[in-house]
Amino acid sequence: DIVMTQGVLPNPVPSGESASITCRSSKSLVYKDGKTYLNWFLQRPGQSPQLLTYWMSTRASGVSDRFSGSGSGTYFTLKISRVRAEDAGVYYCQQVREYPLTFGSGTKLEIK
Amino acid sequence: QVKLLQSGAALVKPGDSVKMSCKASGYTFTDYIIHWVKQSHGKSLEWIGYINPYSGGTNYNEKFKSKATLTVDKSSSTAYMEFSRLTSEDSAIYYCARGVLRIIAFDYWGQGVMVTVSS
Repeated sequence: DIVMTQGVLPNPVPSGESASITCRSSKSLVYKDGKTYLNWFLQRPGQSPQLLTYWMSTRASGVSDRFSGSGSGTYFTLKISRVRAEDAGVYYCQQVREYPLTFGSGTKLEIK
Repeated sequence: QVKLLQSGAALVKPGDSVKMSCKASGYTFTDYIIHWVKQSHGKSLEWIGYINPYSGGTNYNEKFKSKATLTVDKSSSTAYMEFSRLTSEDSAIYYCARGVLRIIAFDYWGQGVMVTVSS
């Protein structure tokens, strides 16, 4: 199975600053179609996860442009610009390059 | 709008089975697959498997293959997951999520079902 490893944030992050969340995969997530099959989710306290980006950098419908995904085949970053209180929660990366689909362990973002 | 409404919390005894439901509305049920995800208390997410409501075809995580059974009832736009031979390790929140095949993304999630296994 592909192992997803996420970094830790130096919390709390001051409101208005930017935050970068990292994720590494044990295998390249680039498929033969050239796309990188990496998704990002946010799970706010007490809520279900919410899709933020897919194909590494494509924002899901209705997601703020303050969220931007980037990376290579095995190293990925989700950048959140001008963080707000509503951005607090746990961020998960997920690989969908092959089955079984796997998630990272999560990165907690706290806002000051 | 798209909604996935899951059944209520369950308290079950070790060795028993539990069957939970996920009722879809706001879209054509057979146009998207349904994934199931486990979240143990305070921990990360595990993919259990998916079912294609159109064909009934399934794809399971090997880890849950002997534990979970996924089915659908197209007439009521409802997906079901049955979890068998429960142990304390199965105590968790279980989510259903709509899957978009083209991008392999979970774009809508149910509210989750808390399952507690205790004697």
